[in-house]
Amino acid sequence: ETGVTQTPRHLVMGMTNKKSLKCEQHLGHNAMYWYKQSAKKPLELMFVYSLEERVENNSVPSRFSPECPNSSHLFLHLHTLQPEDSALYLCASSLGLGLGDTQYFGPGTRLTVL
Amino acid sequence: TQLLEQSPQFLSIQEGENLTVYCNSSSVFSSLQWYRQEPGEGPVLLVTVVTGGEVKKLKRLTFQFGDARKDSSLHITAAQPGDTGLYLCAGAPNYGQNFVFGPGTRLSVLP
Repeated sequence: ETGVTQTPRHLVMGMTNKKSLKCEQHLGHNAMYWYKQSAKKPLELMFVYSLEERVENNSVPSRFSPECPNSSHLFLHLHTLQPEDSALYLCASSLGLGLGDTQYFGPGTRLTVL
Repeated sequence: TQLLEQSPQFLSIQEGENLTVYCNSSSVFSSLQWYRQEPGEGPVLLVTVVTGGEVKKLKRLTFQFGDARKDSSLHITAAQPGDTGLYLCAGAPNYGQNFVFGPGTRLSVLP
């Protein structure tokens, strides 16, 4: 248990569906991240939030829309996804954005797009 | 884009054996991290190395950062089934920049 929870753990959706992934951290951290982990690719950083402001968007398609309503919660809204978007989506948090600020990962949401 | 390579991609060994996995890049990193990810879980940080030539030990795990800060190795002594998992290295190109992850080495330790 890392103090970062993600729901749902598994999600199957059609290409026309709209769904949301939720991440919650109980560590009092100020920074939160979304990563994508595909079977044959390195972990890819998608979005970074610091104090509820988005500070990084790594050229992610607009069909992925993040939301950070407060420093404890992070959402990833999904719409009109493609089969190649199937992956493990990991949320992480850290105290800050500094080099010494360890990232704590949640268990991930396994997403399958049909 | 910084590219990290990890080798071997897969490794299956018997309990009690020693092993070394590698993380290499053509670029210099200000720091490098090693994570272990078990099935159904997210990555968990094992160590951060920041100084060229630095060696850190964590029980049976020994981590080394190359002198030129372009590569790193992880050595496990007397591997146990509990060491099974995906070992990821991640490098930070410069201070304050986000870490870039390698593809990982998937280790299986058989009892």
